[in-house]
Amino acid sequence: QSVLTQPPSVSGAPGQRVTISCTGGYSTFGAGFDVHWYQQHPGTAPKLLIFETDKRPSGVPDRFSGSRSGTSASLAITGVQAEDEADYFCQSYDHTLRSPVFGGGTKLTVL
Amino acid sequence: EVQLVEAGGTLIHRGGALRLSCVGSDSAFGNFGMHWVRQRPGKGLEWVSGITWNSDETGYLASVRGRFSISRDNARNSLYLQMNDLRSEDSALYFCVKSVAAGALVGHFDSWGQGTLVTVSS
Repeated sequence: QSVLTQPPSVSGAPGQRVTISCTGGYSTFGAGFDVHWYQQHPGTAPKLLIFETDKRPSGVPDRFSGSRSGTSASLAITGVQAEDEADYFCQSYDHTLRSPVFGGGTKLTVL
Repeated sequence: EVQLVEAGGTLIHRGGALRLSCVGSDSAFGNFGMHWVRQRPGKGLEWVSGITWNSDETGYLASVRGRFSISRDNARNSLYLQMNDLRSEDSALYFCVKSVAAGALVGHFDSWGQGTLVTVSS
């Protein structure tokens, strides 16, 4: 069971807006630690998608955005495309465990 | 972006030992914390271990503490993971990962290797 909780799957038709939630607790987001998001296509390594809640690395399309409120965070994809079909993982730091932690991952299916 | 290449994964019997290695493409490797993250087949990502830029601080997943040991050689742009007393649940693809943080285990990961596969047989 992951410290950060994500829905196992989400889906959306091309062009729709899709959101993926990531719920933490008092020892992660509640303690002020940032949330980061990674995208992983099958058979490839994860790729940094969003860092420090809402920042995009160079090269990441602006249809990807992040937000956070209290002990929850969200990744939004506005105008989802077929190439966005992948697994998405949130990541933060746990003050109690004194270690980085990941969410269980969410599989995005583009219908 | 630093390129990372892992090596050392193989099929090994339960209770055995293995050393994973990771080489970075340039000297920037030595300025940042480095980590090992694993992924069991069809499963999610699990942080295993991390080390600060100067080896001042290390951290381990509870289930590997006392069995695994992380180290680095900045002169060789290299990261290592010594894995002892391997268990079936250690079977996974192990990624070498670079942090954006130098001196602590917090922060996000901006470079990932392609992974090296460890399979522990019973």
